[in-house]
Amino acid sequence: AQTVTQSQPEMSVQEAETVTLSCTYDTSESDYYLFWYKQPPSRQMILVIRQEAYKQQNATENRFSVNFQKAAKSFSLKISDSQLGDAAMYFCAYSFMGGSEKLVFGKGTKLTVNP
Amino acid sequence: DVKVTQSSRYLVKRTGEKVFLECVQDMDHENMFWYRQDPGLGLRLIYFSYDVKMKEKGDIPEGYSVSREKKERFSLILESASTNQTSMYLCASSTQQQGLGTEAFFGQGTRLTVV
Repeated sequence: AQTVTQSQPEMSVQEAETVTLSCTYDTSESDYYLFWYKQPPSRQMILVIRQEAYKQQNATENRFSVNFQKAAKSFSLKISDSQLGDAAMYFCAYSFMGGSEKLVFGKGTKLTVNP
Repeated sequence: DVKVTQSSRYLVKRTGEKVFLECVQDMDHENMFWYRQDPGLGLRLIYFSYDVKMKEKGDIPEGYSVSREKKERFSLILESASTNQTSMYLCASSTQQQGLGTEAFFGQGTRLTVV
Protein backbone atom coordinates (compact mmCIF):
# COMPACT_ATOMS: atom_id res chain seq x y z
CA ALA A 1 0.00 0.00 0.00
CA GLN A 2 1.08 3.51 -0.73
CA THR A 3 2.14 5.62 2.24
CA VAL A 4 3.07 9.27 2.61
CA THR A 5 5.24 10.51 5.46
CA GLN A 6 5.68 14.08 6.64
CA SER A 7 8.31 14.07 9.35
CA GLN A 8 7.83 17.66 10.53
CA PRO A 9 4.62 18.12 12.53
CA GLU A 10 5.35 21.84 12.91
CA MET A 11 7.59 24.40 11.23
CA SER A 12 8.01 28.13 11.60
CA VAL A 13 9.51 30.79 9.35
CA GLN A 14 10.06 34.51 9.48
CA GLU A 15 8.13 36.63 7.06
CA ALA A 16 10.04 37.07 3.75
CA GLU A 17 12.28 34.07 4.50
CA THR A 18 12.33 30.68 2.78
CA VAL A 19 11.12 27.43 4.29
CA THR A 20 11.17 23.83 3.07
CA LEU A 21 8.62 21.21 4.07
CA SER A 22 9.61 17.57 3.72
CA CYS A 23 7.66 14.64 2.34
CA THR A 24 8.60 11.08 1.51
CA TYR A 25 6.38 8.41 0.02
CA ASP A 26 6.41 4.75 -0.71
CA THR A 27 5.00 3.18 -3.86
CA SER A 28 5.81 0.41 -6.30
CA GLU A 29 4.18 2.28 -9.19
CA SER A 30 6.12 4.22 -11.79
CA ASP A 31 3.40 6.62 -12.91
CA TYR A 32 1.71 8.74 -10.28
CA TYR A 33 0.97 12.25 -9.12
CA LEU A 34 2.21 14.07 -6.07
CA PHE A 35 0.50 17.07 -4.56
CA TRP A 36 0.89 19.67 -1.87
CA TYR A 37 -2.36 20.92 -0.40
CA LYS A 38 -2.80 23.87 1.93
CA GLN A 39 -5.46 24.06 4.61
CA PRO A 40 -5.73 27.49 6.24
CA PRO A 41 -7.74 28.09 9.44
CA SER A 42 -10.84 28.53 7.27
CA ARG A 43 -10.55 24.75 6.65
CA GLN A 44 -10.87 25.02 2.88
CA MET A 45 -8.33 22.62 1.39
CA ILE A 46 -6.72 24.04 -1.73
CA LEU A 47 -4.14 22.69 -4.14
CA VAL A 48 -0.77 24.43 -3.97
CA ILE A 49 1.25 22.49 -6.51
CA ARG A 50 1.22 19.24 -8.48
CA GLN A 51 3.99 17.06 -9.89
CA GLU A 52 3.66 14.26 -12.43
CA ALA A 53 6.14 11.49 -11.71
CA TYR A 54 7.10 11.07 -15.37
CA LYS A 55 8.26 14.68 -15.57
CA GLN A 56 11.82 15.26 -14.47
CA GLN A 57 11.40 19.00 -14.22
CA ASN A 58 10.38 20.24 -10.81
CA ALA A 59 7.03 22.01 -10.69
CA THR A 60 6.88 25.70 -9.80
CA GLU A 61 3.93 27.95 -8.97
CA ASN A 62 5.00 31.51 -8.20
CA ARG A 63 6.67 31.41 -4.75
CA PHE A 64 6.09 27.67 -4.38
CA SER A 65 8.41 25.07 -5.86
CA VAL A 66 9.13 21.41 -5.30
CA ASN A 67 12.22 19.28 -5.18
CA PHE A 68 11.14 15.96 -6.63
CA GLN A 69 13.62 13.12 -6.24
CA LYS A 70 11.95 10.06 -7.77
CA ALA A 71 14.64 7.55 -6.91
CA ALA A 72 14.70 8.69 -3.29
CA LYS A 73 10.87 8.98 -3.24
CA SER A 74 11.15 12.46 -1.84
CA PHE A 75 8.92 15.44 -2.61
CA SER A 76 9.70 18.60 -0.63
CA LEU A 77 7.93 21.95 -0.90
CA LYS A 78 9.88 25.19 -0.84
CA ILE A 79 8.08 28.42 -0.03
CA SER A 80 10.06 31.53 -0.92
CA ASP A 81 9.43 35.04 0.42
CA SER A 82 7.03 33.66 3.03
CA GLN A 83 3.93 35.72 3.72
CA LEU A 84 1.59 35.80 6.70
CA GLY A 85 -1.10 34.27 4.50
CA ASP A 86 1.05 31.17 4.01
CA ALA A 87 0.35 30.11 7.59
CA ALA A 88 -1.62 26.88 7.36
CA MET A 89 -1.50 23.11 7.55
CA TYR A 90 0.29 21.67 4.55
CA PHE A 91 -0.46 18.15 3.40
CA CYS A 92 1.57 16.09 0.99
CA ALA A 93 -0.51 13.63 -1.06
CA TYR A 94 -0.03 10.83 -3.56
CA SER A 95 -2.31 9.55 -6.29
CA PHE A 96 -1.82 6.66 -8.65
CA MET A 97 -2.16 7.69 -12.30
CA GLY A 98 -5.14 5.53 -13.07
CA GLY A 99 -8.82 6.07 -13.82
CA SER A 100 -10.33 5.98 -10.38
CA GLU A 101 -7.63 7.49 -8.28
CA LYS A 102 -7.74 8.09 -4.59
CA LEU A 103 -5.52 10.49 -2.72
CA VAL A 104 -3.32 9.21 0.10
CA PHE A 105 -2.30 11.94 2.52
CA GLY A 106 0.50 12.51 4.95
CA LYS A 107 -0.25 13.66 8.48
CA GLY A 108 0.46 17.28 7.73
CA THR A 109 2.88 20.03 8.73
CA LYS A 110 1.64 23.09 10.56
CA LEU A 111 3.45 26.15 9.24
CA THR A 112 3.62 29.30 11.33
CA VAL A 113 4.80 32.55 9.76
CA ASN A 114 6.24 35.06 12.20
CA PRO A 115 6.05 38.78 11.39
CA ASP B 1 -15.26 27.38 -10.69
CA VAL B 2 -15.51 23.94 -9.15
CA LYS B 3 -17.69 23.79 -6.14
CA VAL B 4 -18.03 21.04 -3.58
CA THR B 5 -20.69 21.79 -1.03
CA GLN B 6 -21.18 20.01 2.26
CA SER B 7 -24.60 20.36 3.81
CA SER B 8 -23.47 21.40 7.28
CA ARG B 9 -20.44 23.20 8.64
CA TYR B 10 -21.10 22.21 12.25
CA LEU B 11 -23.22 19.37 13.55
CA VAL B 12 -23.96 18.09 17.04
CA LYS B 13 -25.60 14.68 17.40
CA ARG B 14 -26.38 12.31 20.22
CA THR B 15 -24.86 8.87 20.68
CA GLY B 16 -26.86 6.26 18.81
CA GLU B 17 -28.41 8.67 16.33
CA LYS B 18 -28.32 7.99 12.62
CA VAL B 19 -26.37 10.81 10.96
CA PHE B 20 -26.34 11.84 7.33
CA LEU B 21 -23.57 14.01 5.89
CA GLU B 22 -24.34 15.25 2.41
CA CYS B 23 -21.96 16.37 -0.29
CA VAL B 24 -22.77 17.82 -3.71
CA GLN B 25 -20.37 18.75 -6.52
CA ASP B 26 -21.17 20.72 -9.64
CA MET B 27 -18.32 19.72 -11.99
CA ASP B 28 -19.65 16.39 -13.26
CA HIS B 29 -16.78 14.61 -11.54
CA GLU B 30 -16.77 10.82 -11.58
CA ASN B 31 -14.88 10.34 -8.32
CA MET B 32 -16.08 11.38 -4.91
CA PHE B 33 -14.47 10.80 -1.53
CA TRP B 34 -15.13 11.05 2.16
CA TYR B 35 -12.18 11.70 4.44
CA ARG B 36 -11.96 12.03 8.16
CA GLN B 37 -9.45 14.52 9.58
CA ASP B 38 -8.11 14.25 13.11
CA PRO B 39 -5.19 16.14 14.67
CA GLY B 40 -1.92 14.30 14.20
CA LEU B 41 -3.50 11.70 11.92
CA GLY B 42 -3.93 13.69 8.73
CA LEU B 43 -6.73 12.77 6.35
CA ARG B 44 -7.89 9.19 6.36
CA LEU B 45 -10.09 7.83 3.60
CA ILE B 46 -13.41 6.40 4.74
CA TYR B 47 -15.06 5.54 1.41
CA PHE B 48 -14.82 6.59 -2.19
CA SER B 49 -17.00 6.21 -5.23
CA TYR B 50 -15.88 6.18 -8.86
CA ASP B 51 -19.34 5.98 -10.40
CA VAL B 52 -23.00 6.15 -9.53
CA LYS B 53 -23.99 3.33 -7.18
CA MET B 54 -20.35 2.19 -6.98
CA LYS B 55 -18.40 2.41 -3.77
CA GLU B 56 -15.12 1.18 -2.37
CA LYS B 57 -13.96 0.98 1.21
CA GLY B 58 -11.12 3.20 2.23
CA ASP B 59 -8.82 2.77 5.18
CA ILE B 60 -11.35 3.27 8.00
CA PRO B 61 -14.84 2.22 6.80
CA GLU B 62 -16.01 0.66 10.07
CA GLY B 63 -19.08 2.37 11.47
CA TYR B 64 -19.82 4.19 8.21
CA SER B 65 -21.73 3.57 5.03
CA VAL B 66 -22.20 5.66 1.89
CA SER B 67 -24.72 6.23 -0.83
CA ARG B 68 -24.31 7.56 -4.34
CA GLU B 69 -27.62 7.51 -6.19
CA LYS B 70 -26.77 10.49 -8.41
CA LYS B 71 -23.45 11.48 -9.92
CA GLU B 72 -23.31 14.83 -8.16
CA ARG B 73 -24.23 13.65 -4.66
CA PHE B 74 -22.32 11.46 -2.22
CA SER B 75 -23.69 10.83 1.25
CA LEU B 76 -21.87 9.56 4.31
CA ILE B 77 -24.01 7.74 6.85
CA LEU B 78 -23.21 7.01 10.46
CA GLU B 79 -25.65 4.24 11.27
CA SER B 80 -25.34 4.68 15.05
CA ALA B 81 -23.16 7.61 15.99
CA SER B 82 -20.56 7.10 18.69
CA THR B 83 -18.34 9.58 20.52
CA ASN B 84 -15.23 8.26 18.74
CA GLN B 85 -16.75 9.50 15.49
CA THR B 86 -16.43 13.07 16.67
CA SER B 87 -14.22 14.54 13.97
CA MET B 88 -13.87 16.77 10.94
CA TYR B 89 -15.32 15.21 7.79
CA LEU B 90 -14.14 16.35 4.37
CA CYS B 91 -15.76 15.54 1.07
CA ALA B 92 -13.82 15.76 -2.19
CA SER B 93 -14.33 15.10 -5.88
CA SER B 94 -12.07 14.58 -8.87
CA THR B 95 -12.28 13.73 -12.54
CA GLN B 96 -11.16 10.50 -14.17
CA GLN B 97 -10.19 12.24 -17.37
CA GLN B 98 -6.56 11.52 -18.07
CA GLY B 99 -4.21 14.42 -18.33
CA LEU B 100 -6.13 16.60 -15.94
CA GLY B 101 -3.95 15.79 -12.99
CA THR B 102 -6.60 14.12 -10.81
CA GLU B 103 -6.66 17.21 -8.63
CA ALA B 104 -9.20 16.74 -5.88
CA PHE B 105 -11.52 19.59 -4.96
CA PHE B 106 -12.68 19.77 -1.38
CA GLY B 107 -15.71 20.97 0.48
CA GLN B 108 -15.34 23.17 3.54
CA GLY B 109 -15.73 20.33 5.95
CA THR B 110 -18.28 19.32 8.55
CA ARG B 111 -17.20 19.37 12.16
CA LEU B 112 -19.27 16.67 13.79
CA THR B 113 -19.55 16.37 17.55
CA VAL B 114 -21.22 13.30 19.03
CA VAL B 115 -22.30 13.75 22.63
